[in-house]
Amino acid sequence: SQELEQSPQSLIVQEGKNLTINCTSSKTLYGLYWYKQKYGEGLIFLMMLQKGGEEKSHEKITAKLDEKKQQSSLHITASQPSHAGIYLCGADGHPGGSEKLVFGKGTKLTVNP
Amino acid sequence: DTEVTQTPKHLVMGMTNKKSLKCEQHMGHRAMYWYKQKAKKPPELMFVYSYEKLSINESVPSRFSPECPNSSLLNLHLHALQPEDSALYLCASSHRGEQFFGPGTRLTVL
Repeated sequence: SQELEQSPQSLIVQEGKNLTINCTSSKTLYGLYWYKQKYGEGLIFLMMLQKGGEEKSHEKITAKLDEKKQQSSLHITASQPSHAGIYLCGADGHPGGSEKLVFGKGTKLTVNP
Repeated sequence: DTEVTQTPKHLVMGMTNKKSLKCEQHMGHRAMYWYKQKAKKPPELMFVYSYEKLSINESVPSRFSPECPNSSLLNLHLHALQPEDSALYLCASSHRGEQFFGPGTRLTVL
C-alpha cells in the first residue's frame, strides 16, 4: 500500500520567513493533494498536482511535484501567523485517479509574530 | 453553494445510545466519503459512496452504518460505540479528484 512521509513533523518559524514542507511517496504518484487543517476542524484544500514537474501557486504558497523522485514540496514565502496549522499531503495511487486518498501524518506549522 | 456541511458539530453519547451524523453538499458531487481522525493523526478513510452506492468499506466495524439517501446527503448511523471510537468524523465530497471536506463532527463516547 502507498505510504506518504512528510518532513519535518513540526516547524516553528518567525513571521516573514520562508519555509518548505516535503512529502515523499513510497510509490508512483498519480495525483498529489495539499490540505491545511486547523486543530479539530475540517481540511481546507490548497492545491492538486497531477503531472511531473507541475507547479502551482496560490497567494504565497507554491507547490511542486517531482514525479521522478515521487516527491512534492510546499513552499510558503514570507510566512504569516495565518499560515499556522497542520499541512497534510494526500495521494491516490492509481492512474486516472481513484476514490481512495492516503494521507501523510502532517506537518505542524507555528508562525511566531 | 460550495461547501460541505456537517451536523452536529459536537456529539457526546453513551455506549448504549443510537445516534446519527449528517453530511450535506449541494455541489452536484457524485462521490461522498466518511473519514475518521484521531488526535494528532491523519484522516483515515471509512466509507466511499459513488453515485449513491457504497463502493468502498475499509473494514469498518458494523457498529458504524453508512447511508446515502440521495446524491446530496450522507449519514453515518452509530450504535453501541466504544470509547475508542471517540474522534473527529469528517465528511467529504469530490469532483474530478478534488475532495472538499466538511468541518467535522467531534464525537465523544462515554
